Amino acid sequence: ETGVTQTPRHLVMGMTNKKSLKCEQHLGHNAMYWYKQSAKKPLELMFVYSLEERVENNSVPSRFSPECPNSSHLFLHLHTLQPEDSALYLCASSQGTGDFSYEQYFGPGTRLTVT
Amino acid sequence: AQKVTQAQTEISVVEKEDVTLDCVYETRDTTYYLFWYKQPPSGELVFLIRRNSFDEQNEISGRYSWNFQKSTSSFNFTITASQVVDSAVYFCALRSPYGNNRLAFGKGNQVVVIP
Repeated sequence: ETGVTQTPRHLVMGMTNKKSLKCEQHLGHNAMYWYKQSAKKPLELMFVYSLEERVENNSVPSRFSPECPNSSHLFLHLHTLQPEDSALYLCASSQGTGDFSYEQYFGPGTRLTVT
Repeated sequence: AQKVTQAQTEISVVEKEDVTLDCVYETRDTTYYLFWYKQPPSGELVFLIRRNSFDEQNEISGRYSWNFQKSTSSFNFTITASQVVDSAVYFCALRSPYGNNRLAFGKGNQVVVIP
């Protein structure tokens, strides 16, 4: 039990669909992250939120739209995706994002397949 | 720029053998942080260790040990007396003291422990 949950665990969607991924952390953390994990590639950081404010957008296409309504919840809204967007999407949280390094705690991920 | 190299993509060992995973990093920062994460088949990344660059003391935790060599920019991880439950992908990651707690991950080492 890592304290970070993600739903759904698996998602298959067509290129014209709209869906959302949900992440919830039960650790009292102030920062949350979205990562993309594709086969044979390092984890790619997509977005960082600190105290519900987006502090980093790592050149992610606009078809991915994050939302952080409070420090415990993070969403990734998906629309008009491409097959190359198929990947494991991981959510993480940490105590903060400041100079002192905080471990990031990860959820189990959502396995997304775009058909 | 931060870069982490994990050269061994897949390593197979017989149960009870030791296995060492190599991690070589590049950074221009004088202070930085190194991490190891484990990703079992279930998907979530499990935090194993954090090491600060100014602390070169090696560490042992049960069957896990880490060898930090600042002179060669390496942070290697050894599993002693491997068990089937150790089968997973292991990621080494590097963090600068600046930025939004951004982690640079290596591509990971797939460890397969054969009973």
